[in-house]
Amino acid sequence: GEDVEQSLFLSVREGDSSVINCTYTDSSSTYLYWYKQEPGAGLQLLTYIFSNMDMKQDQRLTVLLNKKDKHLSLRIADTQTGDSAIYFCADLLGGGYQKVTFGTGTKLQVIP
Amino acid sequence: DADVTQTPRNRITKTGKRIMLECSQTKGHDRMYWYRQDPGLGLRLIYYSFDVKDINKGEISDGYSVSRQAQAKFSLSLESAIPNQTALYFCATSDANGPHQAGELFFGEGSRLTVL
Repeated sequence: GEDVEQSLFLSVREGDSSVINCTYTDSSSTYLYWYKQEPGAGLQLLTYIFSNMDMKQDQRLTVLLNKKDKHLSLRIADTQTGDSAIYFCADLLGGGYQKVTFGTGTKLQVIP
Repeated sequence: DADVTQTPRNRITKTGKRIMLECSQTKGHDRMYWYRQDPGLGLRLIYYSFDVKDINKGEISDGYSVSRQAQAKFSLSLESAIPNQTALYFCATSDANGPHQAGELFFGEGSRLTVL
């Protein structure tokens, strides 16, 4: 089955850029997503990228997709303490059954 | 009010007890899911349902069962709880005709279950 991997922890200083990385195994992924989980809450969709795109920018967020290497990254510019959360990479496989597979999650700690 | 509501939010039980976690949604979505979250393991799919008459096993369905009572309600049962089912459980919904081809999931706030 599909496997989505992330590093478990990232620590950055407030004001710096954060880069969270993700690798996936199934080349038939149609959409790739970043979800954010704040403490005590469920996950919320942060941004997404369609598989035929290389980059997507949304305010402080930049998503880069390298299909050849099956690598997805999320860059957060000017990281704030409110960005402290767990970030999950996920992908959607196409075909008759549309299934979302989540990564292990990366806990981002922002140091003031 | 939350669009996806889970009850109970916290539950402590003993080994061997039967537990039901309930989920209701007001989003009008056909698709509903139960996930389990464990530290370092991310979210793993337990069961999913694409409409009222459709129930499917996910990656880790052993020890769990579900019931889709209505479009808006999807419950998860542990027939005989065991300690390694201690986890945070999430219900989620999606729209098959959504802009991201149903990949956008809407989550409840989670139900924390502890089995002693």
